[in-house]
Amino acid sequence: GENVEQHPSTLSVQEGDSAVIKCTYSDSASNYFPWYKQELGKRPQLIIDIRSNVGEKKDQRIAVTLNKTAKHFSLHITETQPEDSAVYFCAASKDSGYALNFGKGTSLLVTP
Amino acid sequence: GAVVSQHPSRVICKSGTSVKIECRSLDFQATTMFWYRQFPKQSLMLMATSNEGSKATYEQGVEKDKFLINHASLTLSTLTVTSAHPEDSSFYICSARDPAESSYNEQFFGPGTRLTVL
Repeated sequence: GENVEQHPSTLSVQEGDSAVIKCTYSDSASNYFPWYKQELGKRPQLIIDIRSNVGEKKDQRIAVTLNKTAKHFSLHITETQPEDSAVYFCAASKDSGYALNFGKGTSLLVTP
Repeated sequence: GAVVSQHPSRVICKSGTSVKIECRSLDFQATTMFWYRQFPKQSLMLMATSNEGSKATYEQGVEKDKFLINHASLTLSTLTVTSAHPEDSSFYICSARDPAESSYNEQFFGPGTRLTVL
């Protein structure tokens, strides 16, 4: 089955700096790669996603890049703010109808 | 986006009792729903895929007789934790896809149910 690896497990940055989280996946059939932000005790919130026919996607301060050949994708957050502090999960899945396989998560701390 | 609800949000029960958790898609029909479990400071782990009108598909290591899943309608899936024990204490989250959404791969998550077994 699909195996998603995520690094780093913890990340501390100063406000205004950039944060990068990286994930790799094993199943070449995976074609959907979402990123979630989860605050303590809450549901995961989709912040950005990318499909395998696209190499990069950007939404304001957040961007995701995908390298299908290398089977890795990354989340980039620029101009970080304290409210960006949370746990971030990457995930991968195949076509609609398949469940998401999550990475182990990255605890991001943005200090003022 | 589509809305998924879960009930209850929090439940405390005694060891040996059964607990039912409901997952509803409020504004769309979901032929498939997913149940995840999340232990503290860990990731979401898929427990089972719930299919409307048929048996659920369980992940390896998940006991189907302990975690009963019923997907009797296109808007409701239930997870029953039978004979609950303290090690079953966890955050249970369901999700569903809305086939009508243009971004059909996106999963919509319920708010989760915090189960504590004493």
